[in-house]
Amino acid sequence: EVQLVESGGGLVQPGGSLRLSCAASGFTFSRYWMSWVRQAPGKGPEWVARIKEDGSEKYYVDSVKGRFTISRDNAKNSLYLQMNSLRDEDTAVYYCAREEVWGQGTLVTVSS
Amino acid sequence: DIQMTQSPSTLSASVGDRVTITCRASQSISNWLAWYQQKPGKAPKPLIYRASNLKSGVPSRFSGSGSGTEFTFTISSLQPDDFATYYCQQYYGVFGQGTKLEIK
Repeated sequence: EVQLVESGGGLVQPGGSLRLSCAASGFTFSRYWMSWVRQAPGKGPEWVARIKEDGSEKYYVDSVKGRFTISRDNAKNSLYLQMNSLRDEDTAVYYCAREEVWGQGTLVTVSS
Repeated sequence: DIQMTQSPSTLSASVGDRVTITCRASQSISNWLAWYQQKPGKAPKPLIYRASNLKSGVPSRFSGSGSGTEFTFTISSLQPDDFATYYCQQYYGVFGQGTKLEIK
């Protein structure tokens, strides 16, 4: 069974940084693109970033370009999202996703 | 970047009705598309994967079709539990704007 478990969320001040992690199991992690999706309170879901199987290609939604970095460690079956220069509008539940399968999410709250 | 255009944004229907939602991609995405159902306070739940495959445990009144740039999602006979918001998503990419399915 495909399992994705996110961690690393929390409360951070504007301008701060946070690193999210996603532990994957139940499938051959290195054979799949992976992505991060988020959903802010009261809003629809939003795709944030994706990374190719070998990490050689990365793409981001415009609103996070230059601030967020997606990465992966195939030896550890893990996906990451380094979030810098966080803004109030980054407050959301962040989900790790493989195709249509999502983890349970981790809440990021950006507030002073 | 590929854009997804979902319509309608709101749909009013009655129990027993057949309803269809459309999603159009700005360029071909093959069958890399999923449909989700979301109810208030809950995470989106995947119903359809690879454009036309029903997720395990999802009732057969839900179906999806299409490939390339044109996709449809159909509920054959609306049930009270189906009133929710529905989203399409290109795998590893953007979501449609959502369709709120309301009781007429």
